[in-house]
Amino acid sequence: KNQVEQSPQSLIILEGKNCTLQCNYTVSPFSNLRWYKQDTGRGPVSLTIMTFSENTKSNGRYTATLDADTKQSSLHITASQLSDSASYICVVSAGLTGANNLFFGTGTRLTVIP
Amino acid sequence: DSGVTQTPKHLITATGQRVTLRCSPRSGDLSVYWYQQSLDQGLQFLIQYYNGEERAKGNILERFSAQQFPDLHSELNLSSLELGDSALYFCASSVGGSGGFGTQYFGPGTRLLVL
Repeated sequence: KNQVEQSPQSLIILEGKNCTLQCNYTVSPFSNLRWYKQDTGRGPVSLTIMTFSENTKSNGRYTATLDADTKQSSLHITASQLSDSASYICVVSAGLTGANNLFFGTGTRLTVIP
Repeated sequence: DSGVTQTPKHLITATGQRVTLRCSPRSGDLSVYWYQQSLDQGLQFLIQYYNGEERAKGNILERFSAQQFPDLHSELNLSSLELGDSALYFCASSVGGSGGFGTQYFGPGTRLLVL
């Protein structure tokens, strides 16, 4: 069964600290993996997209890693800011055609406190 | 601002009623996707249209329907509404029709409350 699981469900960190969010998937065949940031009550915004051949991708203070062998991805946030408080969603694509081949995690809710 | 617009932002209605949600994609994008996000739940894919044609279908109820018009805007119709239909409804758009590849740009969402 194609599934995407994220951990932890929620996380609270101090401003300026680093954190790592996890995404494990069983989606097959694998096409690509995306990380989205979703502020409360707003639409998700794409952070990174990684294909099978990519194992690291950065977007500013956000760095995503992918291990296609173990089917794991992580999102590392460096020097967190209050504006990083949001839900982070991992999405795995099982193929190139059709959005019904996208599998969504339930997200990690990150709270950054001063 | 993603460039995707959705109206209305908020909608309050009663059970049994019918509502229409509207989405305008980014300029140049041919695909429109509809998602439902219930409280504390993940995004659920409903349906995708590409250049006016249905491209992919997800967990969309029979009470729900959508269409994409020649100017590429899309509407999601929800009928015989139930309390459980209360949720955030997002529209997203992308250039291509392959929903599994490339970036989807999400609109700000429509918050539907069914009383």
